[in-house]
Amino acid sequence: QQQVKQSPQSLIVQKGGISIINCAYENTAFDYFPWYQQFPGKGPALLIAIRPDVSEKKEGRFTISFNKSAKQFSLHIMDSQPGDSATYFCAASSFRSTGNQFYFGTGTSLTVIP
Amino acid sequence: DSGVTQTPKHLITATGQRVTLRCSPRSGDLSVYWYQQSLDQGLQFLIHYYNGEERAKGNILERFSAQQFPDLHSELNLSSLELGDSALYFCASSVGANNEQFFGPGTRLTVL
Repeated sequence: QQQVKQSPQSLIVQKGGISIINCAYENTAFDYFPWYQQFPGKGPALLIAIRPDVSEKKEGRFTISFNKSAKQFSLHIMDSQPGDSATYFCAASSFRSTGNQFYFGTGTSLTVIP
Repeated sequence: DSGVTQTPKHLITATGQRVTLRCSPRSGDLSVYWYQQSLDQGLQFLIHYYNGEERAKGNILERFSAQQFPDLHSELNLSSLELGDSALYFCASSVGANNEQFFGPGTRLTVL
């Protein structure tokens, strides 16, 4: 059972456009929602993360929108650049004092065309 | 560079064999997490250790085991290897048990 569902599987955007990747979750115990960026041959790198007490978080060109009632969150990449071409993973976790388990989406391969 | 190191970078072995993957966390990080990344399964959480103790277990097969040593490095042992175990294995580390994770470069395991 996929705890975090991510869409689309792949995305092609023109340079300067907006890239939008969506994720949905079921477990209401999740309280930490990070996005990771992965380039070929590299490990995932934390891009931006949000906790459910806020509806939006912005860092530079990257914005997370969070809808707690719909159990959905999304990543928006403004002014997309060819250097943003990578695979993006959303994830969800429930931080507990006993340890936490991260559940990842299946990834979105983003291609930004110059 | 995340500061997390993993060795070896590549590993090629045969079915039925046993291998050990090694991870050194960032300086000061007490938590180590192991993940398996395959084309059809995505990133799958395997296990989490905090300061030497197992804290959370995910989809880790009984043929796999891990431990974290007093110097905080961790090893993932994979035994009775099958073709389907071919994948990228990542470790990640974090300061505590509930902080952002930083991923290493991964070990690519190929089972022939």
